[in-house]
Amino acid sequence: KAGVTQTPRYLIKTRGQQVTLSCSPISGHRSVSWYQQTPGQGLQFLFEYFSETQRNKGNFPGRFSGRQFSNSRSEMNVSTLELGDSALYLCASSLGQNTGELFFGEGSRLTVL
Amino acid sequence: SQQGEEDPQALSIQEGENATMNCSYKTSINNLQWYRQNSGRGLVHLILIRSNEREKHSGRLRVTLDTSKKSSSLLITASRAADTASYFCATVHINFNKFYFGSGTKLNVKP
Repeated sequence: KAGVTQTPRYLIKTRGQQVTLSCSPISGHRSVSWYQQTPGQGLQFLFEYFSETQRNKGNFPGRFSGRQFSNSRSEMNVSTLELGDSALYLCASSLGQNTGELFFGEGSRLTVL
Repeated sequence: SQQGEEDPQALSIQEGENATMNCSYKTSINNLQWYRQNSGRGLVHLILIRSNEREKHSGRLRVTLDTSKKSSSLLITASRAADTASYFCATVHINFNKFYFGSGTKLNVKP
């Protein structure tokens, strides 16, 4: 069974640009959640999608958005990038019961210059 | 913050020794989970303990949970160099079904 796949693994952007990150969950998993990881703030919850609906949302500005498609694949978008958005963005999938184990991808490392 | 807090932030031990890391949290939980992260990689689930459980074992891992003190500990016995990684506790909120991750303990096991 293939694991959670995130693309791209690494990317460099400049301030003001926008970026889209993609996540393919484990087959059969209907929940996808996104986390931002930085050295100073640790793992911060961004949002969670289940069956194409946003079910939970963290405390991030509206520049951060996401969506989930009918095949459970998810994308997150960050518009008007700031230097502080440089981070490892992690996607996790689960069956959807919301209390069980999360399966993480390897992450997308975003650097904003 | 509703996040768990791990203690210590960093731990350095010799191979063969035991490693203990602690997690404290603030809210009522459904369960608590421990994850491991190798440098710059994704997190890997290690063990889950439910709020009505007090202790759980998995291989060389032993987890305890004290809901009255809102704390948990992860014990890795007979550590190996390959155990070098960051370890995070994640609490699952009882009402909102949200995961809250702590800041992690960075474990270094010297060969």
